[in-house]
Amino acid sequence: AQKVTQAQTEISVVEKEDVTLDCVYETRDTTYYLFWYKQPPSGELVFLIRRNSFDEQNEISGRYSWNFQKSTSSFNFTITASQVVDSAVYFCALRVDRGSTLGRLYFGRGTQLTVWP
Amino acid sequence: EAGVAQSPRYKIIEKRQSVAFWCNPISGHATLYWYQQILGQGPKLLIQFQNNGVVDDSQLPKDRFSAERLKGVDSTLKIQPAKLEDSAVYLCASSLVRQGDEQFFGPGTRLTVL
Repeated sequence: AQKVTQAQTEISVVEKEDVTLDCVYETRDTTYYLFWYKQPPSGELVFLIRRNSFDEQNEISGRYSWNFQKSTSSFNFTITASQVVDSAVYFCALRVDRGSTLGRLYFGRGTQLTVWP
Repeated sequence: EAGVAQSPRYKIIEKRQSVAFWCNPISGHATLYWYQQILGQGPKLLIQFQNNGVVDDSQLPKDRFSAERLKGVDSTLKIQPAKLEDSAVYLCASSLVRQGDEQFFGPGTRLTVL
């Protein structure tokens, strides 16, 4: 069975602080994909990053960085120098393209990030 | 490039009534998904289409929910009759067919069942 756990329900920081959102996943498959999505108050899920299970290289995109560690089944997301516009719910998701679940995303419960000015 | 379109954005109905949601995916995306997002939870897949065929509807409550994707483009999701626990945001997403491709989501329809 596939499962994604985001243990942090809510995080509050002050602008310019760094913040890390945790994501732990469970799967028995060796080929899988991990995603992060942002859901601002408008409600639309915005794709941030995809990582496949064979690529453990960390990635940096501007103020965003992702740390993928298969040894701990974690795919954590760090925002450096947070801004008020980063306030949103962030979802981590797992995808296993196999059989009848081809394409299905398994989402965590999300982490509500609030950045105060 | 136009994104995924959904309508209506909001809907309020009473229990036992019927409701339908519409989705138009990104042009050229063969795969279309409907997700249900209950407040405080992550989205949960209800049904997945590839072109006009159903790939996965294992989590669709088929006694009251139905969906179709005629002509392999836009899609409708229907609830009949609605229950209080159906109050949620219904998200439509689309993607290309390749493995691991990201899904692009629409703005969602917020359904309130009174």
